[in-house]
Order: sequence, then structure tokens, then C-alpha cells
Amino acid sequence: GENVEQHPSTLSVQEGDSAVIKCTYSDSASNYFPWYKQELGKGPQLIIDIRSNVGEKKDQRIAVTLNKTAKHFSLHITETQPEDSAVYFCAASTRGNTPLVFGKGTRLSVIA
Amino acid sequence: NAGVTQTPKFRVLKTGQSMTLLCAQDMNHEYMYWYRQDPGMGLRLIHYSVGEGTTAKGEVPDGYNVSRLKKQNFLLGLESAAPSQTSVYFCASSELSGTPSNQPQHFGDGTRLSIL
Repeated sequence: GENVEQHPSTLSVQEGDSAVIKCTYSDSASNYFPWYKQELGKGPQLIIDIRSNVGEKKDQRIAVTLNKTAKHFSLHITETQPEDSAVYFCAASTRGNTPLVFGKGTRLSVIA
Repeated sequence: NAGVTQTPKFRVLKTGQSMTLLCAQDMNHEYMYWYRQDPGMGLRLIHYSVGEGTTAKGEVPDGYNVSRLKKQNFLLGLESAAPSQTSVYFCASSELSGTPSNQPQHFGDGTRLSIL
């Protein structure tokens, strides 16, 4: 089945710097890759997603890139702000009638 | 529009007690899921449902049962709670679109369960 690895597990950046979180997946048939942000005491919220027919997608300060050949995708956050501090999860779609597979998460801390 | 609502938000149980966690969604989603989240372990899928009256096992199903009698509700039961089931439980739902993995999931804010 699908396996998703996420790195790093923790990341600290200075306010205004960029942050990059990377995920790799194992199943070449995966075609949907969402990213979630989880703030303290809340459930994960979708922040951006990408499908396998595009290589990059942007939404203001957030972008996701996908390399299907290498089977990895990354989340890029530019001009980080303290409110970006949270846990971020990547996920990848699976074959058949089974749900998304999630990475183990990255705790991002933005230091003012 | 409430989205995904989980009740209760907090609960403390004694070992051996039973309880049911309720998840309700008002988005008419076909798919629903139960996860547990433990430090350093990410989100682990317990059970899921691809439609009313159907359920399936996820990664960590032992010690839990589920029911989906109505499309909008997905219940998670602990028959005999154990300290290892202390965790934060999240429910999620997603739209019908081919497979359960091709649409984003919408999460509730979790139930924090402690078992003494």
C-alpha cells in the first residue's frame, strides 16, 4: 500500500524567512496530494492541494510543488509569520476504495 | 453551516468503562473517518465508512467499533476502555468522488479522551 514519509519532524524559522516541508510517497498511481495545517487544540484544516496533472500550485504565500518522477512533493511558505506556527501534514491518495494516507507531521515554529 | 461536529469535546474514563463518541456532518458527505492522534504518531486511521450502513477497518481498529446508521452520523465505540486508548480522536468526512482518497477531508475539532 501507499507509504508517505514527511520531513523534517520539527522546523524553526525566523519571521520573514521561508519554510519548506517535504514528503515522499511510494505508489506511482497516487494522483492527489493535500496539505493540512493543525493549530493547537483544533482539527487539521486543508490549506492547499495539488493533483498529478500539474507541477505547482500557489495561493498567496503558500505553494506546493510535485515531482511525479521522483515521487515527492513539497510545501513552501514564504514570508513566514508567527501565525504560521502549527503542525503541518501532507497526504497522498491511494488505489482502490481506501482513504488518504497521511505523513506524520511537521511542527513549524516561527520565531518573532 | 457547522461542518463536522464531535461530541463530547473532553472525557475521562476509568479502565473497563465503555463510551461512544459521536460525529455529525451537515455537508451531505458520503465518506466518513475516525482517526486517533498521539504525540509523534501523526494521524492513524481507526475505521472508516464509504456510505450509510457500511464500515471498514483502518490501520488501528482493535478495541474500537463503529456504526453508520445514518449518512450524517458516524459513531465510534469503546467497549472496554484501556489506558492505551488515551488519545485525541478526530472525525472527518469527504465528498463522494470515485474513491475516498481523491477529495479533501474535513475534520472536526477532536475529542480528548483520558483513560485512567
